[in-house]
This record gives sequence, C-alpha cells and structure tokens, in this order.
Amino acid sequence: GQQVMQIPQYQHVQEGEDFTTYCNSSTTLSNIQWYKQRPGGHPVFLIQLVKSGEVKKQKRLTFQFGEAKKNSSLHITATQTTDVGTYFCAGSSGGTSYGKLTFGQGTILTVHP
Amino acid sequence: DSGVTQTPKHLITATGQRVTLRCSPRSGDLSVYWYQQSLDQGLQFLIQYYNGEERAKGNILERFSAQQFPDLHSELNLSSLELGDSALYFCASSPRTGHGNTIYFGEGSWLTVV
Repeated sequence: GQQVMQIPQYQHVQEGEDFTTYCNSSTTLSNIQWYKQRPGGHPVFLIQLVKSGEVKKQKRLTFQFGEAKKNSSLHITATQTTDVGTYFCAGSSGGTSYGKLTFGQGTILTVHP
Repeated sequence: DSGVTQTPKHLITATGQRVTLRCSPRSGDLSVYWYQQSLDQGLQFLIQYYNGEERAKGNILERFSAQQFPDLHSELNLSSLELGDSALYFCASSPRTGHGNTIYFGEGSWLTVV
C-alpha cells in the first residue's frame, strides 16, 4: 500500500532559526496536505498542494510539491515559539480515495527561546 | 474550534466491551472521516462516509464499524475491545470530497481499554 515517509522525526531549533521537514511517498500522489498538531490538540489543516512543482507560501511557511508529485517539503523561516508542534504531511491518491489520507509519521518541532 | 464535535472526550472501558463514538460534522459538511492516532501507528485512516454512503475504507478492523445517519452525524462502533485499541480517535469532516476540500478535525475521543 501507499507509504509516506517523513523526516526528521524530531527537530530542535533556537528561536529565529529556520526549519524544514520533508515527505516522500512510495507512490505518485494526487495531492498532498500539511497539518499542524499542537501538543494535546488535534490536527489543523495548513494547506493542500495539487500541481506538480507547486510552491505556496503562508507568511513564514513555504510549501513545495515535487515535480514527480512524490515528495513535498515545509519550510519555516525564522521560527517562533508559537511554531511548536508536530507537522504532518498527508498524501492522497485522489478520486474516490480523496479522503483516504496516508499520513507521515510527523516531525516534532521544539523551539527554544 | 473546528466546528466538528466529538463525544465522549474521554472513555475508559474494559477489554471485551463495546463502545460507540459519536461525531457531528461541521454544519453543511457532507463528508465524515474517522482516524485513529496511537503512539506506535501514528495517524491511520479508518473510513470515510459521504452523504450517508461509505466512500473509502482504510485498515479498519472487522471489530470496528461505522455509519453516517441522514442528519449527517456519524458513529464509530468498536467491539470486543483489546488493550491495543487504546488510542485517540478523530472524526473529521469536509464540505464534499475531492480537491479543494479542507478537512477539519474534531478534538478527538480518548479511548483507554484496561
């Protein structure tokens, strides 16, 4: 079945440093979504990427979808303590399986002030 | 607040028992999804319903079943519970299905099987 690998598992940064997490899928994806889960909270949708090579920005967050639609990355510039949490990517094969998201293991981000 | 309501928030039950988790999707959302989150398995897709009909199925155990009712709320039934079923169960909803539909997660139901 479809597998989505996400690295690194943990990332500790000083406030102000940049952060990047990477996702790789075993199969070509129809779309990839990114979620943030705060400690004790629920996943919160950040963005969806659909097109090959797509790049989207949300303030300090930059999301990329690979040309082959098998990998993706999330980059945070100048991290803040409010960025703490687990970042998940989730891939979908689309069609009738759109809602069948395969989540990566997540990257736990810790930001030291 | 995502607008997705799950009850109960916490549940402790014994092995072999049966429980029902309830989900009310955001107003107007036709799609409901169930996910299981555990330390060893991470976030796993269980099942999706769209407007009352099953749309997609993940690695949902035969001991588990779900349904979506005419008023669009959904229930996840877990039976013959085992210790390994202890997890956080999320319900999520989206307006429809397909590209462009943001999926909103509820706060989850913590299930502890003892």
